[in-house]
Amino acid sequence: SAVISQKPSRDICQRGTSLTIQCQVDSQVTMMFWYRQQPGQSLTLIATANQGSEATYESGFVIDKFPISRPNLTFSTLTVSNMSPEDSSIYLCSVYSNTEAFFGQGTRLTVV
Amino acid sequence: QQPVQSPQAVILREGEDAVINCSSSKALYSVHWYRQKHGEAPVFLMILLKGGEQMRHEKISASFNEKKQQSSLYLTASQLSYSGTYFCGLARFGDKLIFGTGTRLQVFP
Repeated sequence: SAVISQKPSRDICQRGTSLTIQCQVDSQVTMMFWYRQQPGQSLTLIATANQGSEATYESGFVIDKFPISRPNLTFSTLTVSNMSPEDSSIYLCSVYSNTEAFFGQGTRLTVV
Repeated sequence: QQPVQSPQAVILREGEDAVINCSSSKALYSVHWYRQKHGEAPVFLMILLKGGEQMRHEKISASFNEKKQQSSLYLTASQLSYSGTYFCGLARFGDKLIFGTGTRLQVFP
C-alpha cells in the first residue's frame, strides 16, 4: 500500500493568484498522477509526473497553467496559476502500488 | 475517451441488488472499480485483468467482457455503507488511470 500526504487540504484564493499543492508519498514511486474533480463530477486526469523528466499533460491542460515539479521519487507539486473562479475544484494526487491506485485526501480550492 | 457508466444514479432499499455498467470505446486491458464517499478520496474495490477471473469483494463482484469492452459491478444485498459514488477506471499496466462518468448510489433503510 501507499500513504499520501497532501496539503493544503483546502484554500480560498483570490483570482489572478497561484496556489501550489504538495504531495508526499511514503514510498518511492515512478509515476505520480494529478487529477481534478469538479463538484458532482468524475475525476479528470491533468498530468502524469515522472521523476527526472517533464510532466505529460492531458488534452485541455497546459504546463503554463498547471506547472508540475517532481524533484524525487516521493514528492511532487502541482501549481494552479493565474486562478479564475472556474479553477474552483478538488485536486487530488495519486500513485499506483501493486495495480491499486491510492489517493491523497485532496485539496479543495475555492477561487473568489 | 472517458468510459461511460450506467445508470447515472441508483436508489435502493437495504437488501436490494444493483448492477452498474462501464463501457469503453477502446479495447480494455484492465478495469478498476472505486467507491467515493462524499468529501473523501476514492477507495479501491477491485481490479479485473484481461483474461482474468471474475473478482469479488465481500458482497460486491465484478465481471469483465473483453468482446463488448464492458465491465459490470454487482452489488448484492446492499448495505447502508454501500452508499457513495462508484467509478470504473481503465488502464494499461503501469499506465494512467482514466475514470468513468460515475454512478451515484444511495441506500436507504
